[in-house]
Amino acid sequence: ELKVEQNPLFLSMQEGKNYTIYCNYSTTSDRLYWYRQDPGKSLESLFVLLSNGAVKQEGRLMASLDTKARLSTLHITAAVHDLSATYFCAVDIYGNKLVFGAGTILRVKS
Amino acid sequence: EAQVTQNPRYLITVTGKKLTVTCSQNMNHEYMSWYRQDPGLGLRQIYYSMNVEVTDKGDVPEGYKVSRKEKRNFPLILESPSPNQTSLYFCASSPAAGYNEQFFGPGTRLTVL
Repeated sequence: ELKVEQNPLFLSMQEGKNYTIYCNYSTTSDRLYWYRQDPGKSLESLFVLLSNGAVKQEGRLMASLDTKARLSTLHITAAVHDLSATYFCAVDIYGNKLVFGAGTILRVKS
Repeated sequence: EAQVTQNPRYLITVTGKKLTVTCSQNMNHEYMSWYRQDPGLGLRQIYYSMNVEVTDKGDVPEGYKVSRKEKRNFPLILESPSPNQTSLYFCASSPAAGYNEQFFGPGTRLTVL
């Protein structure tokens, strides 16, 4: 059974600081997705990582995938308040479903 | 506008009263899926559909039914809702299964009393 673990589950950080969210998963996969969810809203796709060593960047966020280590990271650079949200990683191993992590609640304080 | 729509967005009901949550997408996607979101558990898949008339169970299918008679629609049916089905439900679609990001609907918040 595939398990996806995110840490930390809650992250409070100051504006301007850097931090990394980790996503570990238990079964081999080369398909990993990052989503963002604002309070009371739906999920918005951030990154699609489809191969070992994949790295994607969008603004202050950068995601990477190491399939050998079964690890993805979401790095936040110089955080701003607008990045406050819940971030989910999700892994696809069968081609027909996503298994989600529990989510990381990010609060950026000014 | 390309989108996934769900109705209703909010629903309060009582135990045992059958209900249907509709999901529709206008992107001609083959793959559709239902998830429920509960605090601390992330999203868990209830059912998915690879194409018309092809559906299968996800991780938490008990107490739910689905059908896929048309490509665009994928309703979620609760025949006899119970309080443990109180949750936030999301429908999602993607062009095809595998190697495709899923696009999520706005969510349906269901309360079963």
